Amino acid sequence: QKEVEQDPGPLSVPEGAIVSLNCTYSNSAFQYFMWYRQYSRKGPELLMYTYSSGNKEDGRFTAQVDKSSKYISLFIRDSQPSDSATYLCAMSFTGANSKLTFGKGITLSVRP
Amino acid sequence: ETGVTQTPRHLVMGMTNKKSLKCEQHLGHNAMYWYKQSAKKPLELMFVYSLEERVENNSVPSRFSPECPNSSHLFLHLHTLQPEDSALYLCASSQEVNSGNTIYFGEGSWLTVV
Repeated sequence: QKEVEQDPGPLSVPEGAIVSLNCTYSNSAFQYFMWYRQYSRKGPELLMYTYSSGNKEDGRFTAQVDKSSKYISLFIRDSQPSDSATYLCAMSFTGANSKLTFGKGITLSVRP
Repeated sequence: ETGVTQTPRHLVMGMTNKKSLKCEQHLGHNAMYWYKQSAKKPLELMFVYSLEERVENNSVPSRFSPECPNSSHLFLHLHTLQPEDSALYLCASSQEVNSGNTIYFGEGSWLTVV
């Protein structure tokens, strides 16, 4: 089983839709959970960052972590064409030498 | 201007060429990284530097040679590459190495080996 699994997509939704992006993981020791957004031919940029379980909201974006199920989600409300990008989940342990483990990424297209 | 700057943005090289990728971070971070991003694969960590010292080398072929002259600059020297090395090479930095802190990426250098 891979450490981090992410739906491969691609995903296409109409403008205004609620989008749910998900990752599952196998190692219960992960404590930091991140979502990166990567526009075409650009580097990934940090979108959301959470520690341990719970929800975090930032504008139209909500990150959710369920450690009991080893499942994280990113919700995008009122999706816009400018949200069209590849979304990467990433996670790490605490402490030194805790490198990030990434999912493969899912490409989202929001149709006007 | 992004906090992590990479040059060149695009590079086409033959298998016998020698070229270098350059990265500069303006964030005052102590750690820098090289990642490789290929289609339909997770980001692959190649090298990690902490305060100019290499702390991790993830079984990367010797045709890739990193250099970190100071905590703000990182190079990736390329020689006798193979077509399968064509990918997006991303530089990143973080406050401390592999500490669970978030890392910040540059825009990447697109490499095509012909």
